Amino acid sequence: SQTIHQWPATLVQPVGSPLSLECTVEGTSNPNLYWYRQAAGRGLQLLFYSVGIGQISSEVPQNLSASRPQDRQFILSSKKLLLSDSGFYLCAWSVGRGEQYFGPGTRLTVT
Amino acid sequence: AQSVSQHNHHVILSEAASLELGCNYSYGGTVNLFWYVQYPGQHLQLLLKYFSGDPLVKGIKGFEAEFIKSKFSFNLRKPSVQWSDTAEYFCAVTNQAGTALIFGKGTTLSVSS
Repeated sequence: SQTIHQWPATLVQPVGSPLSLECTVEGTSNPNLYWYRQAAGRGLQLLFYSVGIGQISSEVPQNLSASRPQDRQFILSSKKLLLSDSGFYLCAWSVGRGEQYFGPGTRLTVT
Repeated sequence: AQSVSQHNHHVILSEAASLELGCNYSYGGTVNLFWYVQYPGQHLQLLLKYFSGDPLVKGIKGFEAEFIKSKFSFNLRKPSVQWSDTAEYFCAVTNQAGTALIFGKGTTLSVSS
């Protein structure tokens, strides 16, 4: 069966520091991968998606970037965090246009 | 731009009451529709989905949803809620390119026993 891992589960970082959140998927090949940010009362905002290694599409211009160095690995990064980057970050995978499956998320607090 | 509207921000019900959560989307073309649920402290989980065929779809835990194309709606229903249904519910639709999901802002359901 397929599983999706995210780490770390929680992270507290000072403003201006770098960020690296990792997501890996097991049990499937060539998945579509997604990064979302969830804010209370605002639903899920799609940040990035990827249909293959090295292929990244950005939905919202911001202080973050994403990379996909391996088929089942998706990384969310920032060179310098802002206070507004605080939030709950979710990684998800899908096969084609099918349903998406979500990871446990990372709670990021920028202080 | 495509959007998804969930009309109820917070719904409070007693056990055994019936539930209907509204969801409307803006795109008129072919879409896939989903309801996700997030129980306290748990992952976002798929509740049910509609791709094509019978517009009345059944999901897990007694939930169902009806796709009404003419109304751009995909409302979630359950005839009798339980305390364990307390959660946040999200409606989602595929974007026009079919590359990602667009989510509504969510509805928090609180069920009292």
